[in-house]
Amino acid sequence: EDQVTQSPEALRLQEGESSSLNCSYTVSGLRGLFWYRQDPGKGPEFLFTLYSAGEEKEKERLKATLTKKESFLHITAPKPEDSATYLCAVQAGGSYIPTFGRGTSLIVHP
Amino acid sequence: GAVVSQHPSRVICKSGTSVKIECRSLDFQATTMFWYRQFPKQSLMLMATSNEGSKATYEQGVEKDKFLINHASLTLSTLTVTSAHPEDSSFYICSARTGIGTSTDTQYFGPGTRLTVL
Repeated sequence: EDQVTQSPEALRLQEGESSSLNCSYTVSGLRGLFWYRQDPGKGPEFLFTLYSAGEEKEKERLKATLTKKESFLHITAPKPEDSATYLCAVQAGGSYIPTFGRGTSLIVHP
Repeated sequence: GAVVSQHPSRVICKSGTSVKIECRSLDFQATTMFWYRQFPKQSLMLMATSNEGSKATYEQGVEKDKFLINHASLTLSTLTVTSAHPEDSSFYICSARTGIGTSTDTQYFGPGTRLTVL
């Protein structure tokens, strides 16, 4: 059974304090790993798709990396507006339906 | 690009009534759309996969007679919660899949619908 585990469940940072969120996965035949951002009361917003180990993608203060077992979402010098829940999802095997992790709730204090 | 809308954004209804939620892909065609349910501080729970022109595929434990899904066109899918009860109160989110079979195969989500059943 495909498994996606995100850690930590919650993370509190001071503005400017860089950190990383982790998404570890156990799947057979990774096809894609997705990162989303979700604000309270809203639908998830697409951030990145990673397809193969070694791949990296960046958007503003966010950088996503991928290995054969996990992905990291690095947040550099975060701002309060980066506060949100970050979801990781994995698409694997013959299924196009991604499996979602439970998310990491990030709070950035000014 | 890749914008998905949902309507209504929130709805309050009385127990026993039916509620319809619309999901539209605004700038792309989506042969496949998904319906999720999300409880407070929990992740997304897939309810069903909606394919244009065919019957929806429901996840285990989801009552298909309770949650009616219609995907009548390449840009519209609807979810009808029939005979709603307070336990159906939740945040319902749809998503639409684009780039099927390509390296850009991605799901884009709507803004969600907050359903409250009194």
